[in-house]
Amino acid sequence: QSALTQPASVSGSPGQSITISCTGTSSDVGSYNYVSWYQQHPGKAPKLMIYDVSKRPSGVSNRFSGSKSGNTASLTISGLQAEDEADYYCSSYTTSGTVVFGGGTKLTVL
Amino acid sequence: QVQLQESGPGLVKPSETLSLTCTVSGDSISNSYYYWAWIRQPPGKGLAWIGSIYYSGTTYYNMSLKSRVTISIDTSKNQFSLKLSSVTAADTAVYYCAREYGGLGKSDYWGQGILVTVSS
Repeated sequence: QSALTQPASVSGSPGQSITISCTGTSSDVGSYNYVSWYQQHPGKAPKLMIYDVSKRPSGVSNRFSGSKSGNTASLTISGLQAEDEADYYCSSYTTSGTVVFGGGTKLTVL
Repeated sequence: QVQLQESGPGLVKPSETLSLTCTVSGDSISNSYYYWAWIRQPPGKGLAWIGSIYYSGTTYYNMSLKSRVTISIDTSKNQFSLKLSSVTAADTAVYYCAREYGGLGKSDYWGQGILVTVSS
């Protein structure tokens, strides 16, 4: 199972919106609405930000939103804040009954 | 508040077996809504799902690791465990245990992680 494809890095200024893409195949992202997004600050455990493509866990800011089209899922962060600077990972359930992660995207808030 | 805590040796010799345990507090590991996962992260690299287990004992493994991985569960102790055999330096990573809510891949609670180094 190959890793999902994410851009290595994205950046934006405070207050702006950014979108991180996550491209898979018809065997993972394209087959189910079971895409999750995680935020990871240096030295910390990942935090679930989005699950089932677009659902937010309790306590996660509504500045974070998710969507999917075909084999590509996306995470959008609006109203960028300094504390959003982190690594972001997508994951998807697969037709093999396993889970695959993306390679991760480093978000820099300028 | 749900908490997960990994425990085990931080140093393992090449060709030996890595063994870790995750102790869950604040919730029952037998709750039918949850799966329990192991995920690892090599230094400076991305996350990789190792596998998951359901309270019934049903397991799901990353195909690339399947021949070397065993995940087990002890509902009486509210713990689940990971064994990875024949380790090499490539298995050096921070190992996380996590709760998956409502299905594989939705890890809503994580342990703090434990660094395991494979070296002689």
